[in-house]
Amino acid sequence: DMKVTQMPRYLIKRMGENVLLECGQDMSHETMYWYRQDPGLGLQLIYISYDVDSNSEGDIPKGYRVSRKKREHFSLILDSAKTNQTSVYFCASSSGGKDTQYFGPGTRLLVL
Amino acid sequence: GDSVTQTEGLVTLTKGLPVMLNCTYQTTYSPFLFWYVQHLNEAPKLLLKSSTDNKRTEHQGFYATLHKSSSSFHLQKSSVQLSDSALYFCALSDGGRIFFGDGTQLVVKP
Repeated sequence: DMKVTQMPRYLIKRMGENVLLECGQDMSHETMYWYRQDPGLGLQLIYISYDVDSNSEGDIPKGYRVSRKKREHFSLILDSAKTNQTSVYFCASSSGGKDTQYFGPGTRLLVL
Repeated sequence: GDSVTQTEGLVTLTKGLPVMLNCTYQTTYSPFLFWYVQHLNEAPKLLLKSSTDNKRTEHQGFYATLHKSSSSFHLQKSSVQLSDSALYFCALSDGGRIFFGDGTQLVVKP
C-alpha cells in the first residue's frame, strides 16, 4: 500500500525552540518535497530532494533546512522557530516531476 | 518561468449544476498538467492528470482536456455534489519540479 507518513501530527513549540518534522514513504520514490500551507492558501514549496543528500531550495527556504540520509526518509528542521512559521506542513513524494505526488497527512505546527 | 494561474479563488454553486474551474499555465517545456483535490483537514490527492494534447481525461465524474494551443487545462463536472466541496489545485510539471496554482475553493450548497 502506497503511503507517506508524517510525525508528529500536531506540535506546539515556543519561539526560539528547534523543531524536527519527519516524513517517511514506502514507495522507494526518489523525489520528496516539503510544503507549507497557511489557512485558505495554496501550497508553498520549501525544499525538494531528488535523492539521498541531493536537496534543492524551493520557493521559501529561509528559516528551514532539510536532511535526507535514506531514500525513504526526509526531515524538515526549523532552527529557532518563529511565530510566522505556524502552519500546516505537508510532505510528499513522487517517482519524478512528471508523476503523481503522494502527500502525507500533514503536521500542524503552532509556534507560540 | 513556469507558472499556473487559477482565476477563481472561490466558486459557489448549487448541487446538481455544472462547474468549470479555470486553469492556464505558462511553460517553455512540454507540459504535464495535474488537478489535485484537498478536502477539509485532509491532504491533497491527485484527481486527474494529462500530458496529451486535446485528449479528455476523466476521473470520478470530473474531466479536463489539455489544450496546448491555449495553454489551458480547465476542470469540469456536469453535475456537482455536496461531497465535491473542496479546494482544487491545478499544477504543472516541466519534468523537473511541480508548480501549483493558488487553488480554487469550491463550495456546493444544497
